[in-house]
Amino acid sequence: AQKITQTQPGMFVQEKEAVTLDCTYDTSDPSYGLFWYKQPSSGEMIFLIYQGSYDQQNATEGRYSLNFQKARKSANLVISASQLGDSAMYFCAMRVDYGQNFVFGPGTRLSVLP
Amino acid sequence: DGGITQSPKYLFRKEGQNVTLSCEQNLNHDAMYWYRQDPGQGLRLIYYSQIVNDFQKGDIAEGYSVSREKKESFPLTVTSAQKNPTAFYLCASSIVDGWQYFGPGTRLTVT
Repeated sequence: AQKITQTQPGMFVQEKEAVTLDCTYDTSDPSYGLFWYKQPSSGEMIFLIYQGSYDQQNATEGRYSLNFQKARKSANLVISASQLGDSAMYFCAMRVDYGQNFVFGPGTRLSVLP
Repeated sequence: DGGITQSPKYLFRKEGQNVTLSCEQNLNHDAMYWYRQDPGQGLRLIYYSQIVNDFQKGDIAEGYSVSREKKESFPLTVTSAQKNPTAFYLCASSIVDGWQYFGPGTRLTVT
């Protein structure tokens, strides 16, 4: 079964500190993609970062990095130097079915404290 | 600017009425998707389309219908058969092996 698990319903982090949001996945597809999206209170879904299953190096985009551990089937998002504007819901997602479909996790609500 | 537009942002309907949500993209993406999101929840797939004139049911297609007559457009109709239609609806598009771009969403309230 294709599934994304995010075990942290809510997280708190102090401004300027780093935070890790957990994501584990399950798929039998030999090739897949992993994504993280941010959803602020406005509701829009903002693409943050992508990791391909065959990529050797962990993806990075500015303050975002994806800690990809294929053997453990985990794709954790690391946000460095948290900012107040990082407060939002964060969704881990996976592209499956040979690129035809996407599966989303339940999300983690991150709150950045001043 | 390339992107996805969804209109309207807020939509109110009486119970028993069908309502159509618009989704248009100018990104030249082949694939388009419709998701439903309930408060505090994740995204659930309603329908998706990989090419024009073809679409597949997602996990919660009952009470919804779609069409894909043009590459740019993927409207979603919420029918009176949908028992609990009040929700936030998100449209997305993607290229093969790419990530999804999302529209701003439509908040539908049915009373």
